[in-house]
Amino acid sequence: QQPVQSPQAVILREGEDAVINCSSSKALYSVHWYRQKHGEAPVFLMILLKGGEQKGHEKISASFNEKKQQSSLYLTASQLSYSGTYFCGTEKNFGNEKLTFGTGTRLTIIP
Amino acid sequence: EAQVTQNPRYLITVTGKKLTVTCSQNMNHEYMSWYRQDPGLGLRQIYYSMNVEVTDKGDVPEGYKVSRKEKRNFPLILESPSPNQTSLYFCASSPTTAGLYNEQFFGPGTRLTVL
Repeated sequence: QQPVQSPQAVILREGEDAVINCSSSKALYSVHWYRQKHGEAPVFLMILLKGGEQKGHEKISASFNEKKQQSSLYLTASQLSYSGTYFCGTEKNFGNEKLTFGTGTRLTIIP
Repeated sequence: EAQVTQNPRYLITVTGKKLTVTCSQNMNHEYMSWYRQDPGLGLRQIYYSMNVEVTDKGDVPEGYKVSRKEKRNFPLILESPSPNQTSLYFCASSPTTAGLYNEQFFGPGTRLTVL
């Protein structure tokens, strides 16, 4: 079952902040975040693991609430380059290796 | 240059004509995976492979086959394509050996149209 992302789409002005949420109905081991620009392949942003470990880009921050099976991606002081579609992917168990992505959140940054 | 390559990039075919989409990576990654992307449905995993000769089903494996005979290659086979397999396909690889602990590197995508 795919995780649910919200909002589905958001438009911001440069410099504004955004939060993208990812929610699952099942217990999770890890949450992965990717960004895809139009016509391009998805690009890695961050991995959050059960237990608190994170790996990712320094300028991106995210949280993972294991009890609620939810993750949030925080984009602060947005830049034009942040535009794109953001996907969260969830892995249910350690060693499962199967990644289920949400349907995406389209972020548009306007000058 | 470290990369994941896919061929062909674009393909138009007819129902029932067997086809193979190739995927190759030059990063010595253990993990490789295939996804399809459709409007409104996001990325959906078709098959993945943890290493040579080790493959497993993703969320939408029906109508697809894969093989992993060499570490660098992970071809996607459509034995009898149907119009509902019209989609954008991405191959990805990762240096993961146990658990999806590392980022996946995606190929440029293959746009497949089945008439």
